[in-house]
Amino acid sequence: EAQVTQNPRYLITVTGKKLTVTCSQNMNHEYMSWYRQDPGLGLRQIYYSMNVEVTDKGDVPEGYKVSRKEKRNFPLILESPSPNQTSLYFCASSFSSGTSTDTQYFGPGTRLTVL
Amino acid sequence: DQQVKQNSPSLSVQEGRISILNCDYTNSMFDYFLWYKKYPAEGPTFLISISSIKDKNEDGRFTVFLNKSAKHLSLHIVPSQPGDSAVYFCAAGGATNKLIFGTGTLLAVQP
Repeated sequence: EAQVTQNPRYLITVTGKKLTVTCSQNMNHEYMSWYRQDPGLGLRQIYYSMNVEVTDKGDVPEGYKVSRKEKRNFPLILESPSPNQTSLYFCASSFSSGTSTDTQYFGPGTRLTVL
Repeated sequence: DQQVKQNSPSLSVQEGRISILNCDYTNSMFDYFLWYKKYPAEGPTFLISISSIKDKNEDGRFTVFLNKSAKHLSLHIVPSQPGDSAVYFCAAGGATNKLIFGTGTLLAVQP
């Protein structure tokens, strides 16, 4: 089954404790992306990757890191989480980007709470 | 600055009637637009898209209309069904390789 998986689905942590949210896709997609969803703000892009070892900042990259060592995986790293990073996070992938046919497939989401 | 706006946070419609969800954008460089549907505790799923060279795209009960001069697009659902109840996001993209999403509209279809 074609899918994007994220782990963990729920996470409660404390300020400053490094964490990683994993994302994996089995569709051989080149493009992967991370979003956060906040009330009244919709989905905002954090980072994206056009291919292995190619990453770039989205609209809200501060406080986040990513890596793309393999095509299927795109982990999101919070080196020193803060309460304003409490949010719902989505990973997404698509074959490429830039046209209306490059629809993105989303993972189920990770609910992160930083105390 | 919100480049893609959905000014109606919520919409309630009777089953069988038409649902019209609206979206406005400010950047005339967007090449394409998409609608996503999101159920609680799930990720968004793609619904329908339209290229900027078209003004209408239809897929079953779903039709998206694009008015470039007004920088406005709308999603029509006819007839609406209770299973259509969800949050709908419009999104816009172009040469920047980034999708810009709106804030979402919660659609409730009443039986």
